[in-house]
Amino acid sequence: DTEVTQTPKHLVMGMTNKKSLKCEQHMGHRAMYWYKQKAKKPPELMFVYSYEKLSINESVPSRFSPECPNSSLLNLHLHALQPEDSALYLCASSQGTSGSVSYEQYFGPGTRLTVT
Amino acid sequence: GQNIDQPTEMTATEGAIVQINCTYQTSGFNGLFWYQQHAGEAPTFLSYNVLDGLEEKGRFSSFLSRSKGYSYLLLKELQMKDSASYLCGDAGNMLTFGGGTRLMVKP
Repeated sequence: DTEVTQTPKHLVMGMTNKKSLKCEQHMGHRAMYWYKQKAKKPPELMFVYSYEKLSINESVPSRFSPECPNSSLLNLHLHALQPEDSALYLCASSQGTSGSVSYEQYFGPGTRLTVT
Repeated sequence: GQNIDQPTEMTATEGAIVQINCTYQTSGFNGLFWYQQHAGEAPTFLSYNVLDGLEEKGRFSSFLSRSKGYSYLLLKELQMKDSASYLCGDAGNMLTFGGGTRLMVKP
């Protein structure tokens, strides 16, 4: 199984809502990532979990809260988002991070988020 | 920090060869990735270079010169399905992408 799955595929939420994005992989990868991608822009890294511990937080606002319940699952909890947070949220996984080396990453199809 | 530059758009003809360049400046180099991303889809891994030289994978090849901070992706025998964005990425404890090059392949 070389697939990263993400749910939901699409999400529309109001600025006062609380929602969660989910990501799952069964490749035995020990590093998982959240990216945000705006239209016609490259993905921007938000969070990195390595061996289920948050290793990198790229100064993301606290209205985004990641969670890694186990090595196969990654969640992104959303609360009090702004319309400018509307984007494609991509999850990825890789075999692991060793020192400062990043391995080949497998991306999920993404969740298209619209904040109204 | 990292600074990665690549052309915004390129156009090429089906069956031709196209070279997409990428220049980078990074405080610590751990290799360079190339990803392909079709519109509305997730990025998919193409290649990884950490040593100087050319790596060939079928119709796609990637080249790296560490002394020049330069890489390119070479696509041969272009097909219409190669129309996509090509993202040059700096490997490290994170993956920092350049702005991406949108390649349009015309008949």
